[in-house]
Amino acid sequence: EIVLTQSPGTLSLSPGERATLSCRASQSVSSIYLAWYQQKPGQAPRLLIYGASSRATGIPDRFSGSGSGTDFTLTISRLEPEDFAVYYCQQYGSSPLYTFGQGTNLEIK
Amino acid sequence: EVQLVESGGGLVKPGGSLRLSCAASGFTFSSHSMNWVRQAPGKGLDWVSSISSNSSYIYYADSVKGRFTFSRDNAKNSLYLQMNSLRAEDTAVYYCARASGRFDYWGQGTLVTVSS
Repeated sequence: EIVLTQSPGTLSLSPGERATLSCRASQSVSSIYLAWYQQKPGQAPRLLIYGASSRATGIPDRFSGSGSGTDFTLTISRLEPEDFAVYYCQQYGSSPLYTFGQGTNLEIK
Repeated sequence: EVQLVESGGGLVKPGGSLRLSCAASGFTFSSHSMNWVRQAPGKGLDWVSSISSNSSYIYYADSVKGRFTFSRDNAKNSLYLQMNSLRAEDTAVYYCARASGRFDYWGQGTLVTVSS
């Protein structure tokens, strides 16, 4: 079973700063099958990145994804007020079929 | 516009049953795999079940296997999650989500509370 571990659990930054969120897999994940989601309080998750580095429709280019194998990163180049939320990574295709990380809470400093 | 609307949540006693529905619109429903994902209060996302476009393949998380049944009706553009033998730990918001590998569209969720 693949386990995804996200770090840090909480990240405190100010608007305008750069955010780097990590997702580490317990075994190698194909880059094709790694996604990132954003969730704001009281809302459903929103797809940000798929295939480790492809932005979903309508996602601003300040969001970028990278990585391969067991280490993946979501970077927000310059934080906007609306970017403060919880972020989840997800793998798909391996047993169990889908796995989410535990989330990183990006909060305003 | 893609829309997914869940319904059927509510309060149920431990050991009881509930049936969730998800109505889909704005896309060719019969061409897509669909999923249920849940989120316990204050917790992270937890994949529950997946169904292929023609119902040939259905997968479940170990935590719900044997208790939950996922089905779909492509003529009605609808999904169903029959939940039996409910436990307190099944308390969560249940989301339906469209899968194109990743989950590209999500409903707003329906809350299931299992409590005596």
